Amino acid sequence: QKEVEQDPGPLSVPEGAIVSLNCTYSNSAFQYFMWYRQYSRKGPELLMYTYSSGNKEDGRFTAQVDKSSKYISLFIRDSQPSDSATYLCAIWGGMNRDDKIIFGKGTRLHILP
Amino acid sequence: EAQVTQNPRYLITVTGKKLTVTCSQNMNHEYMSWYRQDPGLGLRQIYYSMNVEATDKGDVPEGYKVSRKEKRNFPLILESPSPNQTSLYFCASSKGPGNSPLHFGNGTRLTVT
Repeated sequence: QKEVEQDPGPLSVPEGAIVSLNCTYSNSAFQYFMWYRQYSRKGPELLMYTYSSGNKEDGRFTAQVDKSSKYISLFIRDSQPSDSATYLCAIWGGMNRDDKIIFGKGTRLHILP
Repeated sequence: EAQVTQNPRYLITVTGKKLTVTCSQNMNHEYMSWYRQDPGLGLRQIYYSMNVEATDKGDVPEGYKVSRKEKRNFPLILESPSPNQTSLYFCASSKGPGNSPLHFGNGTRLTVT
């Protein structure tokens, strides 16, 4: 089983809809969970950063971690065409300083005007 | 402005001709890393550096070299490029490998013919 799995999409939704993006992971010891957004021809940029289980909200974005199911989600409310991008989940073990960040392959999202 | 600067943005070269992709950050970050991004494979780590004069292999180091003589610079060297190194390359930096956000450059698209 791969360490992090993410549906590549593409996912097309109408403007204003709620978007749900998801990843599953294999190692229950992972503690730090991130979502990066990558626009075309740009580097990824950090969108959300959470530690352990629970929800974290930032404006229209909510990150959710369910450690019992090894499942992380990113919800986008009132989606806008400017949200069209590739979204990458990322996980860091956090147990050793030289643990590496493991990235999902990314989900391409299109918000249709 | 805090940033990671990569040069060049686009590079076309021929097999066997040595090249260097430069990366510089102005955030005084200790950790720097190189990734390549390929369709269907996502981001894969090539090399990373925890600090000056401290570099280590990532997941796909074959055919690449790096150096970290100064904190701000982390060049990627391809001694003898081959067509399978055609890819989109990203440099990233952070205060630490996972417990702080990774800041990415805008990428270098390399084509080896």
